[in-house]
Amino acid sequence: SQQGEEDPQALSIQEGENATMNCSYKTSINNLQWYRQNSGRGLVHLILIRSNEREKHSGRLRVTLDTSKKSSSLLITASRAADTASYFCATAPPGNTGKLIFGQGTTLQVKP
Amino acid sequence: GAVVSQHPSWVICKSGTSVKIECRSLDFQATTMFWYRQFPKQSLMLMATSNEGSKATYEQGVEKDKFLINHASLTLSTLTVTSAHPEDSSFYICSAGGGHSTSGGAWGTDTQYFGPGTRLTVL
Repeated sequence: SQQGEEDPQALSIQEGENATMNCSYKTSINNLQWYRQNSGRGLVHLILIRSNEREKHSGRLRVTLDTSKKSSSLLITASRAADTASYFCATAPPGNTGKLIFGQGTTLQVKP
Repeated sequence: GAVVSQHPSWVICKSGTSVKIECRSLDFQATTMFWYRQFPKQSLMLMATSNEGSKATYEQGVEKDKFLINHASLTLSTLTVTSAHPEDSSFYICSAGGGHSTSGGAWGTDTQYFGPGTRLTVL
């Protein structure tokens, strides 16, 4: 079953602008992960943030996690046309089962 | 980094036939593999968790007799869609987690590596 809801569903920006995507979830988590998927392709792991972490950076990516609000955000700074893709958050429930529950995704279009 | 392959990358079959999709971890041994299904413009839905040497655990609503999963070795899991129908047409993606690389090192199941997916079209 789907746990995450992502907002917005679609986002269109100009190259150089920042893109922010939000993810909300319903149950307890072990960690939350963000993935990118180019059209018709597999998933690329972007970043993992654990339930006891609040913020994490990786290059142009910044992820925040608020477990009290059960929400996370992904910020892509200085976007590029190559960032055009669908972005999914995925939550891992407690118990180290490895299961991931994916959100609905945000489709990002970065115009050159 | 760890690489997961899927074969075939796409397949077209007639209604009623069975299709086997392979998921291989190329440079590591994966104790756990996961199978997902993705319909167009939708998210990934977890179908089942596959542990090497044991029966797969299916998510609620997934027919185990229709989607046969075999994880006979630490580098290979297969998904067989039996008696496929047009509504089974989808993008099937596997992932591998909890592994040991051939060059040493290990990681838990919270790190998963995804295959490139297999697009199944049932006519």
